[in-house]
Amino acid sequence: AQKVTQAQTEISVVEKEDVTLDCVYETRDTTYYLFWYKQPPSGELVFLIRRNSFDEQNEISGRYSWNFQKSTSSFNFTITASQVVDSAVYFCALSAYQTGANNLFFGTGTRLTVIP
Amino acid sequence: DVKVTQSSRYLVKRTGEKVFLECVQDMDHENMFWYRQDPGLGLRLIYFSYDVKMKEKGDIPEGYSVSREKKERFSLILESASTNQTSMYLCASRGQLGVSTDTQYFGPGTRLTVL
Repeated sequence: AQKVTQAQTEISVVEKEDVTLDCVYETRDTTYYLFWYKQPPSGELVFLIRRNSFDEQNEISGRYSWNFQKSTSSFNFTITASQVVDSAVYFCALSAYQTGANNLFFGTGTRLTVIP
Repeated sequence: DVKVTQSSRYLVKRTGEKVFLECVQDMDHENMFWYRQDPGLGLRLIYFSYDVKMKEKGDIPEGYSVSREKKERFSLILESASTNQTSMYLCASRGQLGVSTDTQYFGPGTRLTVL
């Protein structure tokens, strides 16, 4: 079975602070993809990153960085020097090829509020 | 640029009405999906389609049906709307698996209220 856990329901930080959003996943498949999406108040889910199970390199994109560790089944997301525009709900998701890649399993999301 | 559009951002319907939610993508994607999003439950898959006229049930298909007559359009139908179908509905599309297009891209969502 596939499962994604985002234990942090809500986080509040003051602008310019760094913040890390946690994501822990479960799958028995050896080939899978992990995703992060951002959902601002407008409601649209915006794709941020995709990572496949064979690539454990961390990735940095501007103020965003992702830490993928297969040993702990985690795919954490860090925002450096947070800004008010980062306020949104962030979802981590998993798709596993062997057990039905059409299913994208989402965590329940973490609501991030950045206080000016 | 990736583009998924949904026919309405907000919709209010009465119990028992037949409701159509439309989704259109312009990326020539084979796969299209309908999810509903509820607080504390995340996103749950209702139905998906991997080709024209082809569909498969997701995790919560009860009370819904779908139609895909053209590649770019995927419709979600509530045959007889009920109050427990009040939710945010999100459509997504995705290219073929195994290539760089296998990311799901989402539309803006339709917030449906059933009175």
